[in-house]
Amino acid sequence: EIVLTQSPTTTAASPGEKVTITCLASSSVSNMYWYQQKSGASPKLLIYSTSSLASGVPDRFSGSGSGTSYSLTINTMEAEDAATYYCQQWSSNPLTFGSGTKLEIK
Amino acid sequence: QVQLKESGPGLVQPSQTLSLTCTVSGFSLTSNSVHWVRQPPGKGLEWVGAIWSGGSTDYNSALKSRLSISRDTSKSQVFLKMNSLQTEDTAIYFCTLYDYWGQGTLVTVSS
Repeated sequence: EIVLTQSPTTTAASPGEKVTITCLASSSVSNMYWYQQKSGASPKLLIYSTSSLASGVPDRFSGSGSGTSYSLTINTMEAEDAATYYCQQWSSNPLTFGSGTKLEIK
Repeated sequence: QVQLKESGPGLVQPSQTLSLTCTVSGFSLTSNSVHWVRQPPGKGLEWVGAIWSGGSTDYNSALKSRLSISRDTSKSQVFLKMNSLQTEDTAIYFCTLYDYWGQGTLVTVSS
């Protein structure tokens, strides 16, 4: 099983600040997916295939990486971006998620 | 538009079997795979399993011995059955295409 380790576990950012969340895989994966989950809601796909923006997602979100190291970047933090973020790999069975990064607004 | 909706019992007794239904609309089950993902209260996401467009299935190896996923394409429904439930199976269960998610259904395992 591929283990995904996210960092930081929790972080806070001021409006306008740049935020980067990293996801390290225990083995090389071909792509990474990123989800945003707000309290009481279902997850929402943000990024697919490492760097492609899902439909309707603001372009302040971006994804990058390869091999075992991936990242999600929010270029300019907004209050509505406060949420928990999860990475996910599809490269091998079982599909696995990272443990999540909780992002708060300062 | 694409919709997924989970349904099932909110409460299941320990050692009993959980049966959930995911009713979908706006897309074909024969062209898309449907996955089940669960989330224990206050915790992270866990992939449970999937039924692929061709009808084959894959399961999380940790749950495989207790799990069955099937579908009825004529009714646009996907089914999850998990037996020998324990308290650690308490979670919100989502069915998902990943770009679309159901609202989730909370399953509590308790006597």
